[in-house]
Amino acid sequence: GQNIDQPTEMTATEGAIVQINCTYQTSGFNGLFWYQQHAGEAPTFLSYNVLDGLEEKGRFSSFLSRSKGYSYLLLKELQMKDSASYLCAVKTVGQNFIFGPGTRLSVLP
Amino acid sequence: EPEVTQTPSHQVTQMGQEVILRCVPISNHLYFYWYRQILGQKVEFLVSFYNNEISEKSEIFDDQFSVERPDGSNFTLKIRSTKLEDSAMYFCASSSRDRETNIQYFGAGTRLSVL
Repeated sequence: GQNIDQPTEMTATEGAIVQINCTYQTSGFNGLFWYQQHAGEAPTFLSYNVLDGLEEKGRFSSFLSRSKGYSYLLLKELQMKDSASYLCAVKTVGQNFIFGPGTRLSVLP
Repeated sequence: EPEVTQTPSHQVTQMGQEVILRCVPISNHLYFYWYRQILGQKVEFLVSFYNNEISEKSEIFDDQFSVERPDGSNFTLKIRSTKLEDSAMYFCASSSRDRETNIQYFGAGTRLSVL
């Protein structure tokens, strides 16, 4: 079967660092993506991993371990505007994508 | 900055009616996708489209759904006979063919309400 798990909700303080985990079990793997989605809006691309290791992009970093079926998104220097849902998605075979349920992050002052 | 545009932003229809949701992908992109997101639930893949044909489709994309690229710019999703459970936000996305092929850019969505 195909399954992606993420924590439902997380809370962090402005200026802090937060790590959002994602575990996946899919038939086929061709990359893992992180998207940000504000309420009522479209997902926007944050980060992409296809090989093991860390990808850094400004305040956002994403890590992948294919052998463990595990990824995390790291957000540094949190800002109020980072309050959103963070979606983990796996590209399986061809152009087929599976999204996780999303983690709703609340950043408090 | 180029963007994916979707129309209408909100569509209200009666159960059993046909609806067509429209999308204009980013102009140099070659891969096109439709997703849906029922309120409060996860984003679900419906279909991907490349070179004028369907590449992949999910179990959700049954015979009541169809996609078309009628001209060089539009990409449409048709639902033949809408059901109450089709009420959702429908997102169109597109991606290019280069190194960033896998990065999908999403439109703002069409909220479909079936009454």
